[in-house]
Amino acid sequence: QKEVEQNSGPLSVPEGAIASLNCTYSDRGSQSFFWYRQYSGKSPELIMSIYSNGDKEDGRFTAQLNKASQYVSLLIRDSQPSDSATYLCAVNVPNDYKLSFGAGTTVTVRA
Amino acid sequence: ETGVTQSPTHLIKTRGQQVTLRCSSQSGHNTVSWYQQALGQGPQFIFQYYREEENGRGNFPPRFSGLQFPNYSSELNVNALELDDSALYLCASSSRTGGYNEQFFGPGTRLTVL
Repeated sequence: QKEVEQNSGPLSVPEGAIASLNCTYSDRGSQSFFWYRQYSGKSPELIMSIYSNGDKEDGRFTAQLNKASQYVSLLIRDSQPSDSATYLCAVNVPNDYKLSFGAGTTVTVRA
Repeated sequence: ETGVTQSPTHLIKTRGQQVTLRCSSQSGHNTVSWYQQALGQGPQFIFQYYREEENGRGNFPPRFSGLQFPNYSSELNVNALELDDSALYLCASSSRTGGYNEQFFGPGTRLTVL
């Protein structure tokens, strides 16, 4: 079983719609969860961090964490063509400083 | 605030050669992690440096080695290059204070091994 799994893409959404990205992780001790956005040919950019169960909102982005289900998600509201990118889910276990990444979900927002 | 920088941007080597990649951490950060990202995959952890010592290593052979300097900058060295080493190499900067391990990536070095 992979440490971090993301829903396979690509995900195509119309402009203005909600894009929903999902991520599950295997280590129940995981405590820090991150979403990175990676444009083609560029490096990952941290867009959201979440550490407690529930929702965290930042602009058009909402991260949702459910530790009991070992599940973290990212919602992108009012999707824009500039949101077209690969979104990477990353997970960290206490006292293990590496980030474990999923393979990413590619999102395409069509005008 | 200065962000994470990496050099060079691109590099082409042949099998068997050696390469050194460099990274300068973001100001205020004392920890550097290195990742390898193959095409279509998520980044894979190579190792992390804190206080000039390796602190955690992923599933990479010993021919991948590194250094951290007193100013927190870091080098990744890869010996005896193989074709499969072709990838984007990412350096991530973070601070041990706070405890949440937010890591910020540099622009990466694209390594091609022929």
